[in-house]
Amino acid sequence: DIQMTQSPSSLSVSVGDRVTITCRASQSIDNYLNWYQQKPGEAPKLLIYAASSLQSGVPSRFSGSGSGTDFTLTISSLQPEDLATYYCQQSYSPHTFGQGTKLEIK
Amino acid sequence: QVQLVQSGAEVKKPGASVNVSCKASGYTFSSYGIGWVRQAPGQGLEWMGWISAYKGNTNYAQNFQDRVTMTTEKSTNTAYMELRGLRSDDTAIFYCARVSLVFGVILDYWGQGTLVTVSS
Repeated sequence: DIQMTQSPSSLSVSVGDRVTITCRASQSIDNYLNWYQQKPGEAPKLLIYAASSLQSGVPSRFSGSGSGTDFTLTISSLQPEDLATYYCQQSYSPHTFGQGTKLEIK
Repeated sequence: QVQLVQSGAEVKKPGASVNVSCKASGYTFSSYGIGWVRQAPGQGLEWMGWISAYKGNTNYAQNFQDRVTMTTEKSTNTAYMELRGLRSDDTAIFYCARVSLVFGVILDYWGQGTLVTVSS
């Protein structure tokens, strides 16, 4: 099975920071990669699909890039409401998730 | 607007089965699939599998394929996930999500989650 590895597992950030989260696949998944945001006590929410396509309604400060095995999620200027855990997921079978990256206030 | 409303919390004994429902509204049910995701307390998201609401085809994750059955009922726009042989480490929130196949499997709308507690 294809394994998804995110880094870092946690990140201390400040409002206004540019934040980059990395997701690596154990073999090429082209650009079959989604990103989700999960706030405490809430269901996950789709942010990015197909590695770089912004889901409708998601703020433009979120962006995704990459293809093959290496992907990034970037938040251009962190807002307080962005404090959450972020997960990547391969949309290629068997659709495994990364272990998550938790953003915490510095 | 798209909504997925899941059934309420359950408490089960080890070895029992649980059946979680997910009622969809706001879109054409048979044009999408329904996926299921498990999240143990304080842990990450774990893919369980998905079902096509059009044909009823299923694709289960290897970790669950011996214990899970996913079904849909088109007449009520409802999906179901049955997990058998419950163990204490199945204590988790189970989420359903709409599966869009625009580019691979994309979980574009999620239910609120159902807490299943397994305890003797």
